[in-house]
Parts: sequence; structure tokens; C-alpha cells
Amino acid sequence: GQNIDQPTEMTATEGAIVQINCTYQTSGFNGLFWYQQHAGEAPTFLSYNVLDGLEEKGRFSSFLSRSKGYSYLLLKELQMKDSASYLCAVINDYKLSFGAGTTVTVRA
Amino acid sequence: ETGVTQSPTHLIKTRGQQVTLRCSSQSGHNTVSWYQQALGQGPQFIFQYYREEENGRGNFPPRFSGLQFPNYSSELNVNALELDDSALYLCASSSRGRETQYFGPGTRLLVL
Repeated sequence: GQNIDQPTEMTATEGAIVQINCTYQTSGFNGLFWYQQHAGEAPTFLSYNVLDGLEEKGRFSSFLSRSKGYSYLLLKELQMKDSASYLCAVINDYKLSFGAGTTVTVRA
Repeated sequence: ETGVTQSPTHLIKTRGQQVTLRCSSQSGHNTVSWYQQALGQGPQFIFQYYREEENGRGNFPPRFSGLQFPNYSSELNVNALELDDSALYLCASSSRGRETQYFGPGTRLLVL
């Protein structure tokens, strides 16, 4: 079975940093994705981790520990446009299994 | 913009009816996956098509079926619609051997 957990909601102030955690227990693992989804829109690709460690891409960074079944997405210098749902997803045999998503609200 | 397109954008049906949703994959991609996303949930994998054949299926009944065409576009068909089928239906395209899937804008289906 697939079990992917992430917090339901987080709130942060513009300019701050927020870390969204994701833990997973899956029957197989080829990698972990983070997607951003604004309300009513399609998920958009943010990051992909295959090996342990930190991947940095501009204001967004993603970390993976395969031995712990753990990942986080770090959003720095938050902007109002970062208010969205952030989805953690594990890929196995070309199939994505998603968590329920974390809704991040950025306040002025 | 990912280059993945879906039609229609919105659809209203009644219980028992049938629906066909369409997806055109991004240029250079040969694999299409379909997902169902209920309100407040993450997307759930329905099935994937590669080289016009189903390549993996999630926990969905047989009334969910699909096709892939030689140009890699795809259709999702749902028969005998139920109220619980109301959701956002997403298709994602990818290139075999490359893991990243790129999503289309989705079709929002409402079953009354």
C-alpha cells in the first residue's frame, strides 16, 4: 500500500521561510516529487529527488532521506503568489502516488 | 504552460450517463497518465497509457476505461456515472524513461 502524509495547512508571513514535511511508506520507490497547485488549476512541477540530499532551485529547495522515508520542501522569501497547495508524490513504476496536499497561506 | 491540453474544461452530467474526456500530450511525450482529484484531496492514479496500451491501473472499477491514439493523445471514458465521480480529472504526459509528469489544466466533472 501507499501512505504519504503531509500537514493539512500552514500559514506564514510574506518574506519568511516555510518548511513542508512529507513522510511516506510505499511498496516501491523510484523518486519523490513536489508539485504546486493553485486553487482550480493543474499541479505544476517544482522538484524531483531521487538520491538523498538537498536540491536547491531558486527560492525552493527539496530534501530527501530515503532511509527515513522523509522529504521536505523549503520555501524561502515567501511571496503572496506562493499561497497554494503543495503536493508530495512518490513515483514507482511510472505511477505517481500523492499525499493530500498542504495548503500554504502567505499573509502580508 | 506545459503544452498538455484537455477538453472540455467543465462538464455537467447526470447519474447513469457516460462521459468522454480528451487529452493531448506535450510534444515529444509518448506516455499519458490519468488522475482523479476530489475536492481537498491529492490526485488519485486511474491508469497510464504507453504505445496505445494500458500500462498500469489504479484502484478504479472497469467502468473507467481509456484509449491512446497513434499521435499519443488519449481519452478517458467513464460509464454509468455516479455522484462520487464528480471531481477534477487530470491528465499528465511524460516521456518513457523520464519520470517527470506534466499536467494539463484538467476537466472539472459534476455529476448530478
